Amino acid sequence: GQQVMQIPQYQHVQEGEDFTTYCNSSTTLSNIQWYKQRPGGHPVFLIQLVKSGEVKKQKRLTFQFGEAKKNSSLHITATQTTDVGTYFCAGGLTGNQFYFGTGTSLTVIP
Amino acid sequence: SQTIHQWPATLVQPVGSPLSLECTVEGTSNPNLYWYRQAAGRGLQLLFYSVGIGQISSEVPQNLSASRPQDRQFILSSKKLLLSDSGFYLCAWCQGAFTEAFFGQGTRLTVV
Repeated sequence: GQQVMQIPQYQHVQEGEDFTTYCNSSTTLSNIQWYKQRPGGHPVFLIQLVKSGEVKKQKRLTFQFGEAKKNSSLHITATQTTDVGTYFCAGGLTGNQFYFGTGTSLTVIP
Repeated sequence: SQTIHQWPATLVQPVGSPLSLECTVEGTSNPNLYWYRQAAGRGLQLLFYSVGIGQISSEVPQNLSASRPQDRQFILSSKKLLLSDSGFYLCAWCQGAFTEAFFGQGTRLTVV
């Protein structure tokens, strides 16, 4: 079945350091979405990428979609304690399914 | 504006008991509806999705089932719970493919 993997599974950073999580799919995706889940909460949508090679920025967050539309990355510059949570990518296939990655749990040490 | 309601928030059930989790969406029509399960510290596993009333696609064969009796109502059920059914169950909706998904607050199920 469809698998969307993320690495790393866990990441601890000092406040102010950068953070990157990578998402890889076994099949070509129609689109990729990114979500953030705070501890004890539910996933909240961050952004969607559709085009091959697309790059989008939201303040300190930079999202990339690979040329082959099989991988994506989320990069956070100068992390803050408010960035703590688990970041998920979700890969969309043709039709209505989208499959979440395994998630990267980010801990920011003050 | 659109809202999604999911209940109950927490549930403790004995092994072998039935399950019914309900999810309703307000403020939209004909949404795509999804049930996900998240084991502790793990990712989200797609269980079921529905693109319309009575239309259910199952992703993982197991002792769970889903139904969509009304356009904005999605129900997750089990006749007999297993210990392995414990987890955080999340309902989500989106307005068609390639749109963002909105999640309910989740139900934390513990099977004892």
